[in-house]
Amino acid sequence: SYELTQPPSVSVSPGQTARITCSGDALPKQYAYWYQQKPGQAPVLVIYKDSERPSGIPERFSGSSSGTTVTLTISGVQAEDEADYYCQSADSSGTYPNWVFGGGTKLTVL
Amino acid sequence: QVTLRESGPALVKPTQTLTLTCTFSGFSLSTSGMCVSWIRQPPGKALEWLALIDWDDDKYYSTSLKTRLTISKDTSKNQVVLTMTNMDPVDTATYYCARTSSSTSGNAFDIWGQGTMVTVSS
Repeated sequence: SYELTQPPSVSVSPGQTARITCSGDALPKQYAYWYQQKPGQAPVLVIYKDSERPSGIPERFSGSSSGTTVTLTISGVQAEDEADYYCQSADSSGTYPNWVFGGGTKLTVL
Repeated sequence: QVTLRESGPALVKPTQTLTLTCTFSGFSLSTSGMCVSWIRQPPGKALEWLALIDWDDDKYYSTSLKTRLTISKDTSKNQVVLTMTNMDPVDTATYYCARTSSSTSGNAFDIWGQGTMVTVSS
């Protein structure tokens, strides 16, 4: 089955840049999406179609793609950015499409 | 304003069938490109997509759970229902419904419900 691989944790100091990666074989052919989830809350979409930002999401959140890896970048990290981040994509290689999430990355703001 | 809200039992016994309802507002599931999915998250673990139904009544299921899942919609009531048979303690999780608007954000789940916690225990 198709998998998306993320690092379990990333730590940065306030004001620094955080980069969270997500790897998957189908990513060159499928868009990636990123979600932020704070404790006890539902996930929130922060990046869609690799690099598009929904309205209301701060400009410090950006996304990029290169080959089988996509990256969520948070520039000028703030304490409120501490959360779990999940990448997601859709696998259309089989008979039916499958929507897949990565294992999640816990971002700690030191 | 688009909102989704999950409802269903908080506790089910092993082997029972779980029925969850997603009631939404602010969009129509008969509009081209609109879809609603069910996604779950066991305590302390990652998100797992379960099923999706689209505006054309096409249905898609997680490969690993497809034999246990049924998704359906009632467009007139703005509801999507998920049933999961033969519940097991490993199915204990928060269950979310979420919208996809493929014409705007592709395969993203752009709006989520608050989630409903389901515990499987005898």
